[in-house]
Amino acid sequence: NAGVTQTPKFQVLKTGQSMTLQCAQDMNHNSMYWYRQDPGMGLRLIYYSASEGTTDKGEVPNGYNVSRLNKREFSLRLESAAPSQTSVYFCASSVIQQGGEQYFGPGTRLTVT
Amino acid sequence: AQKITQTQPGMFVQEKEAVTLDCTYDTSDPSYGLFWYKQPSSGEMIFLIYQGSYDQQNATEGRYSLNFQKARKSANLVISASQLGDSAMYFCAMSLPYMNNNAGNMLTFGGGTRLMVKP
Repeated sequence: NAGVTQTPKFQVLKTGQSMTLQCAQDMNHNSMYWYRQDPGMGLRLIYYSASEGTTDKGEVPNGYNVSRLNKREFSLRLESAAPSQTSVYFCASSVIQQGGEQYFGPGTRLTVT
Repeated sequence: AQKITQTQPGMFVQEKEAVTLDCTYDTSDPSYGLFWYKQPSSGEMIFLIYQGSYDQQNATEGRYSLNFQKARKSANLVISASQLGDSAMYFCAMSLPYMNNNAGNMLTFGGGTRLMVKP
């Protein structure tokens, strides 16, 4: 039981390059989330998928797109990376019922130069 | 819009003593959940404790307890008998009630408190 896995762990991009962050969970959770954490700050929600087949914007969606590929997988794409997107990205999953603990992946540290 | 405020950027506590980390929140929804997460220097997010807005009793999980004062909109984390391994960032977070907008359990986080335990 791996929980929530993310790939890659580290990535360096040049401004304008694109990449996709992958996330998968094996807990049969309906809901999945992408957050970013800037230095010295709390996490901010980028996009979420309350259930398979749906995605919605969070607090900071600009510059990102997501795909809920199936119940297990939720990817985050940066189409044209900018230095302002340098951050640590966390994927999480939970049951859909209120109060469901969110299980977080280990994070991806992204640097855009 | 909902908001979470953690007013203590950093705190020191002596090993084996208790410490309280403050969290206040603001929401107009009557139904919500409050969470505390720990983030050690290794970076992972570790769930500590959860309190539902309708729960009558304060939540407890081992050495962690949540002092929930609904009228004051505060949800302080109390760590008893601090250990060196408790040194970490601590985040308070609030979830929206999913029934209102099918939001699942997406979380709004506070800015965090860095706790340092002194031997």
